[in-house]
Amino acid sequence: AQKITQTQPGMFVQEKEAVTLDCTYDTSDQSYGLFWYKQPSSGEMIFLIYQGSYDEQNATEGRYSLNFQKARKSANLVISASQLGDSAMYFCAMREPLSGYSTLTFGKGTMLLVSP
Amino acid sequence: DSGVTQTPKHLITATGQRVTLRCSPRSGDLSVYWYQQSLDQGLQFLIHYYNGEERAKGNILERFSAQQFPDLHSELNLSSLELGDSALYFCASSYRAGGTGELFFGEGSRLTVL
Repeated sequence: AQKITQTQPGMFVQEKEAVTLDCTYDTSDQSYGLFWYKQPSSGEMIFLIYQGSYDEQNATEGRYSLNFQKARKSANLVISASQLGDSAMYFCAMREPLSGYSTLTFGKGTMLLVSP
Repeated sequence: DSGVTQTPKHLITATGQRVTLRCSPRSGDLSVYWYQQSLDQGLQFLIHYYNGEERAKGNILERFSAQQFPDLHSELNLSSLELGDSALYFCASSYRAGGTGELFFGEGSRLTVL
């Protein structure tokens, strides 16, 4: 079974609008972490935001926030006030468990295009 | 700039050949991870080293091997290359193994096998 599922292959949004990128995950661990990365066309992977399974509040980093719904096993990324530079591939990833030598497992990604 | 350096950035070679990809982690980071990104498979974890010791293996082919040296740089060796090995190979580093910290990725080495 897929550990991380991103159901939206592509999303379109107009500049200055908010957009939500979906991510659902599958784990039986109680302790895990969820990460979002951005990959622009240049190829590098840029870390955006992190949410731990025990964090009670949704994570926020500037224009990025993570809508964490533990019971639904979803960790959606919300980008407020989209900018042209937000056009990129976005990956959701999970580390489970948080202890030990665990690695990040990535979803297939969502391509976001921001239009003027 | 993540602080992770990968060389070469681009590599074109022929089937059957062998290549070595090099990674210098961020200063002070003890963990090095290798990932392969291809259009059909997405981002696949290959292998993880922590302070010179192999700690986890993912979907790494037997034709591939890696090591982390005492100065903490790492090399990924790909041999008997096939067309399907064409991909973007990422190295990532972190101070700890596991935990809440993110991985810092290099810019990747794009391998094309002809």
